Order: sequence, then structure tokens, then C-alpha cells
Amino acid sequence: GQQLNQSPQSMFIQEGEDVSMNCTSSSIFNTWLWYKQDPGEGPVLLIALYKAGELTSNGRLTAQFGITRKDSFLNISASIPSDVGIYFCAGQLKGGSEKLVFGKGTKLTVNP
Amino acid sequence: GAVVSQHPSRVICKSGTSVKIECRSLDFQATTMFWYRQFPKQSLMLMATSNEGSKATYEQGVEKDKFLINHASLTLSTLTVTSAHPEDSSFYICSSGYNEQFFGPGTRLTVL
Repeated sequence: GQQLNQSPQSMFIQEGEDVSMNCTSSSIFNTWLWYKQDPGEGPVLLIALYKAGELTSNGRLTAQFGITRKDSFLNISASIPSDVGIYFCAGQLKGGSEKLVFGKGTKLTVNP
Repeated sequence: GAVVSQHPSRVICKSGTSVKIECRSLDFQATTMFWYRQFPKQSLMLMATSNEGSKATYEQGVEKDKFLINHASLTLSTLTVTSAHPEDSSFYICSSGYNEQFFGPGTRLTVL
């Protein structure tokens, strides 16, 4: 089946640093989504991207839909302790009510 | 975004019993909902697509007779784990939405 390659697998940073993570695919996706999951909870949608080249921000978070439609990145600026968690990328080949394909996640640790 | 609830949040049961998990779309009429399971330190694994008024579509390797899905209304899908065994212990999460998928808070199942 389809797979998304998400990297890095984990990151250990100091509070205040910027973070970048990305996902790549061998297939073209119509939708890219970025989620954050805290322990014991469901994933929470951070940013949704629908157009190739689209750059979208949500507070300190910025994500881009790659121009080739086969990749996306998520940046977090000026990290704070509550940014700790697991970040997942997800994509849809077509969109709508189609199922999501998930990356394996990036575990972020922020040292105060 | 859409609000998705799950009930119960935690359940402990004896081996051999059946457990029903509810997923409700509180502000969105969902013709399609998705059920995932997640093992510790792993990504979400799609189990099945729940279709309102018709049979669910199961992913390869997921036993449809063991994981019964009923989507009788546009706001409710249920997942019943039949004859549960300890290896069924996991975190079960549902999602709903169009383009953007919104996740429920998850249900922690522990089978003794």
C-alpha cells in the first residue's frame, strides 16, 4: 500500500529553537495534513494543505505543500515545552472522504 | 473543525467478552467514518472504513467477523471487538470529516 516517509523519527531540541520535519511520497497527493498527538489522546489537526506550492501558517507553525505534490514540510518556530508530542503527516491521493495515508511520526522533545 | 467524540474513553474487559466502542460526529453528518488502532510508539493503522447504510470496508488483514462495524446513522458508528483477547488490547481511534479528517479522543482497550 501507499506509504509516507516521515523524518526525522525523533528530535531533541532546546526551548526557543526552530524545528523542521518533512514527509515524502512516491505518489502524488491531492491533500497533505499535519497532526499532533499527545499521549493517550487522538491526533489534533494542525494544518491542512490543498494546493501544490501552498504555504500555510497556524501561529508558530508553518507547512508547505511541495510543488511536485509528493512532499510536505512542517516548521515550528521558537519552540516551547508544550510543543512536545508526536507529529504525523498524512495525505490523501484524491481528497474528500478518502482514507488517509500516515507517516510514522516525528517525536519531538523540547528541553526547557 | 468537526467535533468527534468516542465512548468509552477506557475499558477493561475479560478475555472472551465483547466490547462496543461508539464514535459520534457531533456537528457533522458523516457518511464515512474511519476506525484506527494504534499500538504504543507506533503510527495509526487504518482498520476499516465505516459507510453509513452499507457494509464497512476492511483493510487487508483485519478480520471483519472479529471487528464488527455498524454505521446506522449519519452521526454514529460503532466498533465491536468480539471475543476479545489480550492481543486486542490497543488504542482505538475513529475519525470523520471531508478533506480534513478530525479524530476522536480515542478508546483505550485492555483485555485481561
